[in-house]
Amino acid sequence: EDKVVQSPLSLVVHEGDTVTLNCSYEVTNFRSLLWYKQEKKAPTFLFMLTSSGIEKKSGRLSSILDKKELFSILNITATQTGDSAVYLCAVEEAAGNKLTFGGGTRVLVKP
Amino acid sequence: DGGITQSPKYLFRKEGQNVTLSCEQNLNHDAMYWYRQDPGQGLRLIYYSQIVNDFQKGDIAEGYSVSREKKESFPLTVTSAQKNPTAFYLCASSENYGYTFGSGTRLTVV
Repeated sequence: EDKVVQSPLSLVVHEGDTVTLNCSYEVTNFRSLLWYKQEKKAPTFLFMLTSSGIEKKSGRLSSILDKKELFSILNITATQTGDSAVYLCAVEEAAGNKLTFGGGTRVLVKP
Repeated sequence: DGGITQSPKYLFRKEGQNVTLSCEQNLNHDAMYWYRQDPGQGLRLIYYSQIVNDFQKGDIAEGYSVSREKKESFPLTVTSAQKNPTAFYLCASSENYGYTFGSGTRLTVV
């Protein structure tokens, strides 16, 4: 059975801190790994990773995938209160376009 | 603007009643999905459909039913057999890479 595990479950930081979120997975036919940010309703897309070792960057957020060790990390530098959200990791199978989500990491950034 | 519309945003139902959640997309995507989210948890797949008139069970299909008679529509029925239906329900669609989510329906059963 496909499995995606995120850690930590939650964390509280102060503005300006750097956070690192982890996502490990076990999927039969890996196609891609996706990161989403969920604030109130629908998750919004952050990154899609398909190749090992290539960092994707968007402003203060970056992410990298290790297909050998089966994990990904999402980094947020110089955090702001607007970064407070649940961050979801999902892995897509090669067949079926099916996404398996992790349980999410709840991040709270205090002023 | 292309997107996914879920309705209603909030739904209250009495225990034992069936209820149908609507999901419509105008993105011309073949694949559509229903996810359930409980407080403090990730998304769990209920049903998915890769093409019209075809759908498969996800990880937690018991107590739910779907239909896919049209490409743009993928309604989810929460039946009385679902033991704990109160949750946030998200519909999504995809085409090759890239998923689009609706804004969700919060169902409360009293």
